[in-house]
Amino acid sequence: EAGVAQSPRYKIIEKRQSVAFWCNPISGHATLYWYQQILGQGPKLLIQFQNNGVVDDSQLPKDRFSAERLKGVDSTLKIQPAKLEDSAVYLCASSGTSGSGELFFGEGSRLTVL
Amino acid sequence: QKEVEQDPGPLSVPEGAIVSLNCTYSNSAFQYFMWYRQYSRKGPELLMYTYSSGNKEDGRFTAQVDKSSKYISLFIRDSQPSDSATYLCAMKGGSYIPTFGRGTSLIVHP
Repeated sequence: EAGVAQSPRYKIIEKRQSVAFWCNPISGHATLYWYQQILGQGPKLLIQFQNNGVVDDSQLPKDRFSAERLKGVDSTLKIQPAKLEDSAVYLCASSGTSGSGELFFGEGSRLTVL
Repeated sequence: QKEVEQDPGPLSVPEGAIVSLNCTYSNSAFQYFMWYRQYSRKGPELLMYTYSSGNKEDGRFTAQVDKSSKYISLFIRDSQPSDSATYLCAMKGGSYIPTFGRGTSLIVHP
């Protein structure tokens, strides 16, 4: 079974530039999450999708972050414009059972904002 | 007070030691408890998953949940250098989003 795929693995941009991250979850998983993990901290949820609908985006900084999951499969997270404090690893996870919390993570996309 | 508290360490132990990793939490609605292992520059990998209170064993790993004390533990027996990683606890309940601790860095030295 293929795992969660993410790209790019690494990205370096200047502040105020834009960046997009892509995630393809495990086949058949209805729930998709985007987490932000700052160095030395645990993952913080940015947004949760159930199929192509948003379940929770209360911690997504909506003035600069956006995410979509148009066909209920893969997803894109965008940051525009980026700030220095956005430097982090962006983790995508998927779950086959929305109630259980068994999340399967991708390798992450490491963003450095200069 | 954070919803999930976890000592960041680092915790350094000799090979073969028994390791105890712990988390406390404040939300009594949490029902699902997970432990993830995260190697450097990798995504978290699910190690153990427990529903409600009790113990669960898988090889050298044992997870314990004490809901009355709002305290969960992960024990690693016969620790190996390959166990060196960051261990994240995570919890979920009802409509609450999965919430992670900050992780404990474990170093097992030969």
